[in-house]
Amino acid sequence: SQQGEEDPQALSIQEGENATMNCSYKTSINNLQWYRQNSGRGLVHLILIRSNEREKHSGRLRVTLDTSKKSSSLLITASRAADTASYFCATDAETSYDKVIFGPGTSLSVIP
Amino acid sequence: KAGVTQTPRYLIKTRGQQVTLSCSPISGHRSVSWYQQTPGQGLQFLFEYFSETQRNKGNFPGRFSGRQFSNSRSEMNVSTLELGDSALYLCASSLDRGLGEQYFGPGTRLTVT
Repeated sequence: SQQGEEDPQALSIQEGENATMNCSYKTSINNLQWYRQNSGRGLVHLILIRSNEREKHSGRLRVTLDTSKKSSSLLITASRAADTASYFCATDAETSYDKVIFGPGTSLSVIP
Repeated sequence: KAGVTQTPRYLIKTRGQQVTLSCSPISGHRSVSWYQQTPGQGLQFLFEYFSETQRNKGNFPGRFSGRQFSNSRSEMNVSTLELGDSALYLCASSLDRGLGEQYFGPGTRLTVT
């Protein structure tokens, strides 16, 4: 199964609400990244959090990492219709420095 | 800076043929990775090239190969195409080796008939 798995698979919210999606992984990691993919802009890097960090912010994005639970969460605050996209977490494996593994993604729909 | 470019954007091939896809990374980036994206399997890592050497390879058959040139441009080749090879092939470049911030190209949509 995947190293990283996002939850939920799909999420539908109203514009202005917050969206939270989670990622779980199986092996120790060096760092974890979140990406967004939509038809207009392709796959775009959002944020990287290192294994020794617990929380990181970037604009309306907040990422947390709990290495004891092998999980991460992505919070998008005050969502906009333009946030409609699929969101993926990507991890390396501490024992495989160069290899990147993507989860299956969370499909987010923000309804205007 | 110009982003990652991939050519061609769309391709239709017949089973048994071979195909070569091209990727030009962001200027100054030395690492290029390739991914296959399908509705069923999601995004799967194919391989990474750095300094003209393959540094890591995902779990794909030997029909999938690649190379990197001295200017960091990369090509991937798929021989003896199968219907299941129909996918979006994404190239990503990053400044250095390892899991850093990757910049993805728009992808090549390959359809095998």
